Amino acid sequence: QVQLVQSGAEVKKPGASVKVSCEASGYSFSDYYIHWARQAPGQGLEWIAWINPDTGSSNSIQKFQGRMTMTRDKSISTVTMELRGLKSDDTAIFYCARVMRTAVAGIAFDVWGQGTMVTVSS
Amino acid sequence: SSELTQDPVMSVALGQTIEITCQGDSLRNYYASWYQQKPGQAPILIIYGKNDRPSGIPDRFSGSNSGNTASLTITGAQAEDEADYYCISRDTTDNHLAVFGGGTKLTVL
Repeated sequence: QVQLVQSGAEVKKPGASVKVSCEASGYSFSDYYIHWARQAPGQGLEWIAWINPDTGSSNSIQKFQGRMTMTRDKSISTVTMELRGLKSDDTAIFYCARVMRTAVAGIAFDVWGQGTMVTVSS
Repeated sequence: SSELTQDPVMSVALGQTIEITCQGDSLRNYYASWYQQKPGQAPILIIYGKNDRPSGIPDRFSGSNSGNTASLTITGAQAEDEADYYCISRDTTDNHLAVFGGGTKLTVL
């Protein structure tokens, strides 16, 4: 079945880096954009970034530019989000999600990863 | 960048109907999609496009759009509908970007 499986929870110290992977299966990896969202403890969802698995092009919200890198490896159908210079307020669950193909203007995520908890603590 | 505004907290009596709204300028150009999230779980898509439901989503969930407002209606709310609900739309300044609403915590009484 179509699914996204993310890497496991991480505990990092302030200033460190973290990599969160998102492995796709059950569909053609290159045909669907992947987006990332995060959710701080007790807070709402925050959209943060996207990657085109076909070309590797990507972008993120301004607050993460310069600190976040997204890559993809077509051979293993995996996208990876790296966040550097971690701060305590980066503590959150990070989700990857597949963009649904729809004929109408808008955006929808039809498949989500299970989430990866990243804890930043000294 | 765009912003989407949702009422943070709403409640509905069991079996009654509730409309959850999402307001923002981007909704004049793009449809919102809606997600349900229960504690400890990833969000799931419940409404997208004009008013489409993925397979498996009950037909008591419906969506509508007017001007800068998208609405999610639950007709005959069930206990299992108690959850957080989020809207999302593309950003008006860069349609590769997106923005979530702040979320609505729905209690079923």
